[in-house]
Amino acid sequence: SAVISQKPSRDICQRGTSLTIQCQVDSQVTMMFWYRQQPGQSLTLIATANQGSEATYESGFVIDKFPISRPNLTFSTLTVSNMSPEDSSIYLCSVGSGGWDEKLFFGSGTQLSVL
Amino acid sequence: DQQVKQNSPSLSVQEGRISILNCDYTNSMFDYFLWYKKYPAEGPTFLISISSIKDKNEDGRFTVFLNKSAKHLSLHIVPSQPGDSAVYFCAASMAGAGSYQLTFGKGTKLSVIP
Repeated sequence: SAVISQKPSRDICQRGTSLTIQCQVDSQVTMMFWYRQQPGQSLTLIATANQGSEATYESGFVIDKFPISRPNLTFSTLTVSNMSPEDSSIYLCSVGSGGWDEKLFFGSGTQLSVL
Repeated sequence: DQQVKQNSPSLSVQEGRISILNCDYTNSMFDYFLWYKKYPAEGPTFLISISSIKDKNEDGRFTVFLNKSAKHLSLHIVPSQPGDSAVYFCAASMAGAGSYQLTFGKGTKLSVIP
């Protein structure tokens, strides 16, 4: 399984500011995924980040709010822009197993609180 | 509309007893199901999975049962241990699609009481 390092692990931010979350994988992967878990809710896919191309966003998520970078095959960043208290969530980076089963491995997550 | 439902937000079980976590799904196209375990301040970790061609899969103390006609799966933990206390997420996908599109339930918080 892949080892995924994510930082920061937690942060408390002021309304209107932005936070960039970093994700580092110990092996080269084609696709990296960013998830959000709002309090008491399921994990929801924000976007898929492919190296060398624009990220693909899921319904309800837009690039202006959640810009993503994918400069190489082991690293990605997610920025949460112009934050509001509704953005308080756990943000998770994940990568696929590479097998037919399409199992996902997750980073440790970033607990974001917006005041 | 939630396609994967975990109707019990929480469950408490005595140590040594069986824990049964349930999950229902609505999309008949799902053919691969996974359970993840999540401790506080950690990311979800893969626990066990089952393909729709099977109705049971075992891994040590963990067994997942799948009832396709009822669109229902369950995770059994026997015997339950205090270290099993965590949030358990059920997830479903259409395996082989190459998109890693997992749909998750909201999770069930399991507390194993010593």
